[in-house]
Amino acid sequence: AQSVAQPEDQVNVAEGNPLTVKCTYSVSGNPYLFWYVQYPNRGLQFLLKYITGDNLVKGSYGFEAEFNKSQTSFHLKKPSALVSDSALYFCAVTGLGGGSYIPTFGRGTSLIVHP
Amino acid sequence: SQTIHQWPATLVQPVGSPLSLECTVEGTSNPNLYWYRQAAGRGLQLLFYSVGIGQISSEVPQNLSASRPQDRQFILSSKKLLLSDSGFYLCAWSYSGDLYNEQFFGPGTRLTVL
Repeated sequence: AQSVAQPEDQVNVAEGNPLTVKCTYSVSGNPYLFWYVQYPNRGLQFLLKYITGDNLVKGSYGFEAEFNKSQTSFHLKKPSALVSDSALYFCAVTGLGGGSYIPTFGRGTSLIVHP
Repeated sequence: SQTIHQWPATLVQPVGSPLSLECTVEGTSNPNLYWYRQAAGRGLQLLFYSVGIGQISSEVPQNLSASRPQDRQFILSSKKLLLSDSGFYLCAWSYSGDLYNEQFFGPGTRLTVL
């Protein structure tokens, strides 16, 4: 079975500071990892994904994520946070060994960027 | 380009009434389709998914059902709503065939059962 953990319900950061939203995963075989963002009363929007290759993945709106196989992590990062980045962030994983292409989502992390 | 539509955007229904939520995708063919429910603005619960017309898989036993009468149409239904059916319903699609295809979500339907 595959699983995702987002250990922080909420992350607070000041505008202009770097941000990190944490995600760890468990899956059989090679993982495919995703980050999505959700603004209030909206659907989720795809930010970036890791399939293979370079461990640092760049995505939309200046976000990037670092895949770490030994730590089974895929943390979302941004060098300089904006107030408009405040939203709910979801990490998701699928894996060949799981027997299903249905992704498993984490519970979400609320990012609050203070002016 | 591809787009996904959901309607209605909001719905208030009495307990025991029927439900029909519709989702359509434009600009692609043979997509995988998904229905999720999100309670209290947090985690996603996968309700149903479909890999083709008439092919529906249910993830959670409940009083909801889904149908896919056309390639790009996905309908979520209930004969009798419960209070616990309140929530934010999201439809999503992905390209079929590969595990590494991301999902594209619709704008959602806010359902309140009174």
